[in-house]
Amino acid sequence: QKEVEQNSGPLSVPEGAIASLNCTYSDRVSQSFFWYRQYSGKSPELIMSIYSNGDKEDGRFTAQLNKASQYVSLLIRDSQPSDSATYLCASDSGAGSYQLTFGKGTKLSVIP
Amino acid sequence: EAQVTQNPRYLITVTGKKLTVTCSQNMNHEYMSWYRQDPGLGLRQIYYSMNVEVTDKGDVPEGYKVSRKEKRNFPLILESPSPNQTSLYFCASRSSYEQYFGPGTRLTVT
Repeated sequence: QKEVEQNSGPLSVPEGAIASLNCTYSDRVSQSFFWYRQYSGKSPELIMSIYSNGDKEDGRFTAQLNKASQYVSLLIRDSQPSDSATYLCASDSGAGSYQLTFGKGTKLSVIP
Repeated sequence: EAQVTQNPRYLITVTGKKLTVTCSQNMNHEYMSWYRQDPGLGLRQIYYSMNVEVTDKGDVPEGYKVSRKEKRNFPLILESPSPNQTSLYFCASRSSYEQYFGPGTRLTVT
């Protein structure tokens, strides 16, 4: 059974701080990894995708991937109250697979 | 604008009354899927479709049916809804790089 594990939180950080969200996955053949943000009652929205080991930066967001450790993380710099949401980590099932397995999400609260 | 649409957005129904939730995408994606989301359980895939007339079960298919007669549409059918199908449902379609979600359908079965 493929699994994606996340700390459910809540994770509370002060405004302006760095929020660090972590995720581990069980399927070694997974090749693509995604971070989604979901506001309460709304649909998930893609923030970052990462396919190679290392870091990928997009604005205030940095995704980090370590395939040897089967670990993915998302850093949010200069956290804003509007970043308060649930963050979902997802991985695919290997090359050519379109199926995604989602973690249960980490709830982030940014305190003004 | 690239989008996935779902209807209805909210639905309250009674046990056993057949219902269909429609899903449509305008991105010409071959892959579409349905998820349900429940507190503490996260997003779980119900069914997916790799292309027209090609569908397969996800993790929680019991009590659901789907069809894919056109590339853009992927309706979810509950032939005899039960209270344990009360949930938030999302349709999604995917390209090679990104999966887009519909706005969600909140279903309550009494």
